[in-house]
Amino acid sequence: NAGVTQTPKFQVLKTGQSMTLQCAQDMNHEYMSWYRQDPGMGLRLIHYSVGAGITDQGEVPNGYNVSRSTTEDFPLRLLSAAPSQTSVYFCASTMGQVNTEAFFGQGTRLTVV
Amino acid sequence: TQLLEQSPQFLSIQEGENLTVYCNSSSVFSSLQWYRQEPGEGPVLLVTVVTGGEVKKLKRLTFQFGDARKDSSLHITAAQPGDTGLYLCAGCSGAGEIIFGKGTRLHILP
Repeated sequence: NAGVTQTPKFQVLKTGQSMTLQCAQDMNHEYMSWYRQDPGMGLRLIHYSVGAGITDQGEVPNGYNVSRSTTEDFPLRLLSAAPSQTSVYFCASTMGQVNTEAFFGQGTRLTVV
Repeated sequence: TQLLEQSPQFLSIQEGENLTVYCNSSSVFSSLQWYRQEPGEGPVLLVTVVTGGEVKKLKRLTFQFGDARKDSSLHITAAQPGDTGLYLCAGCSGAGEIIFGKGTRLHILP
């Protein structure tokens, strides 16, 4: 199994550009999440989904959109990139709602100039 | 907003010493998890504690969940350079959210 696959691994954007960070999992997990990781800030939850067609906001949702049209895919869209969105982004999936292991992708390092 | 406070933020100790890392919250979680993250990688689960007062051991690592299910600790006995990394605690809300603390960056000196 590939687990959780994120693409791209690195990306540089200019302020105002848009892009989509891709996340796919092949474990048939219902729950998927997006986090950003900044120095000294740990992992902060951006958006999460408890199943296809259902999404909800996390701690820092502003500037990001998500959709969940299939169980496997959970893309994160930046509509108009800002330097404050420079970060490392991690996608995660879990099998169940409670007390289950989160499996993470290898991350996308995004720089907005 | 549920918050998880980890302490210390940074810890640098000599090989062979013991250490304890703490994770505290004012909120009750259905479970607490500990993850370890290596540079350039995503976090990897070490343990999940579910029952108040629960103690779990993973070789030289001992994890404890507080009786009130608001706090947890990670104790490492006889630390080794291979233990170096970022240790993250995470609380599961039971509604699909997993909330992470800011992490403890541990450096074991040979």
